[in-house]
Amino acid sequence: EPEVTQTPSHQVTQMGQEVILRCVPISNHLYFYWYRQILGQKVEFLVSFYNNEISEKSEIFDDQFSVERPDGSNFTLKIRSTKLEDSAMYFCASSRGQGVQPQHFGDGTRLSIL
Amino acid sequence: AQSVTQLDSQVPVFEEAPVELRCNYSSSVSVYLFWYVQYPNQGLQLLLKYLSGSTLVKGINGFEAEFNKSQTSFHLRKPSVHISDTAEYFCAVRTSGTYKYIFGTGTRLKVLA
Repeated sequence: EPEVTQTPSHQVTQMGQEVILRCVPISNHLYFYWYRQILGQKVEFLVSFYNNEISEKSEIFDDQFSVERPDGSNFTLKIRSTKLEDSAMYFCASSRGQGVQPQHFGDGTRLSIL
Repeated sequence: AQSVTQLDSQVPVFEEAPVELRCNYSSSVSVYLFWYVQYPNQGLQLLLKYLSGSTLVKGINGFEAEFNKSQTSFHLRKPSVHISDTAEYFCAVRTSGTYKYIFGTGTRLKVLA
């Protein structure tokens, strides 16, 4: 069964540095998402992306964050000037449609900010 | 605003016993409901979904859930659990007109031998 793949599985970065988290969504999916889960807290929506533009974002997704689909297969989340509180598990997801189609999640990237 | 409540943070249960994991939601518009399972060091795997129609939905691994609109609940059940069902279970809601899922805080199911 096709999967969403995320790399790296664990990223350690110094505070203030920029980090790029990478995702390869399922190939025939058109909608892409990023979520994060701070340790011990609930999974939170960050952003959704369709047709090369952001379709919805949460209040968490401020100017520090950006997303991009640089080619036909990758979907990236960039975090600029990382802060300690950005430490979390980041999940990428994709779906074939926006209506009744469920979102399929990757295994996540654990981001640790030192 | 929409929200999801999973009242039980942890549920211990003996192997082969039945289990129910509770999920309540609040929304003023129609919703789609989901249960996901997260095994250690893995991502979120879809267990089942309610979109419309029959209120009893069956998912993978013998799980089922019942949508109760009047009680705004979507409880997950399994008649006989296995050790391998030990994992964290998340209830999620998506309302029509939005893209995002709203997740509950999760319930850690621990199956005891």
